[in-house]
Amino acid sequence: DVKVTQSSRYLVKRTGEKVFLECVQDMDHENMFWYRQDPGLGLRLIYFSYDVKMKEKGDIPEGYSVSREKKERFSLILESASTNQTSMYLCASSLGQVAPIRPQHFGDGTRLSIL
Amino acid sequence: AQSVSQHNHHVILSEAASLELGCNYSYGGTVNLFWYVQYPGQHLQLLLKYFSGDPLVKGIKGFEAEFIKSKFSFNLRKPSVQWSDTAEYFCAVRFWGDKIIFGKGTRLHILP
Repeated sequence: DVKVTQSSRYLVKRTGEKVFLECVQDMDHENMFWYRQDPGLGLRLIYFSYDVKMKEKGDIPEGYSVSREKKERFSLILESASTNQTSMYLCASSLGQVAPIRPQHFGDGTRLSIL
Repeated sequence: AQSVSQHNHHVILSEAASLELGCNYSYGGTVNLFWYVQYPGQHLQLLLKYFSGDPLVKGIKGFEAEFIKSKFSFNLRKPSVQWSDTAEYFCAVRFWGDKIIFGKGTRLHILP
């Protein structure tokens, strides 16, 4: 069974701090994704990566960056955290561009609060 | 721009009622379609998916969805809901590459 592990379940940080959210998958998936989930807004894609060191902006990349130095690990970075980045962050992974497209597997989420 | 619309933000039903959750998308080309479910306190799980072939797709837990290309729709159905179906449901569409766009979700509350 695919395992997507997010390093923290709950995190509390202060405004202006640099925040790292880590995600690791154990199934050699090419694709990894970062979403944020907010009430009434559903899931919104922040960034995704289709290979090591490759990344693409999603729908709401502002204020975030990502790092994919190894295939199994995809990090989301809040360069200078702000209160409007308080949210639930979800990591997902999937096999690469093969037919048929493979569904995504999700981690348990990190609930991040910025004070 | 591509978009995914879920028409109902909150749905409240009694047990044994029939369920249909709407999902429409904006793009007219080839798509892959998914429904995910998130039970309270749990992570997202795949309910069912459509890639090609029979437009009526059967998923887990008695759910099914029908792809109607002419209507750009992929509605989720269940003939008789249970209290344990209380969850949030997300429709998702892959339009190109590996980018998947999610709808805003529908919160389903089943009354015992």
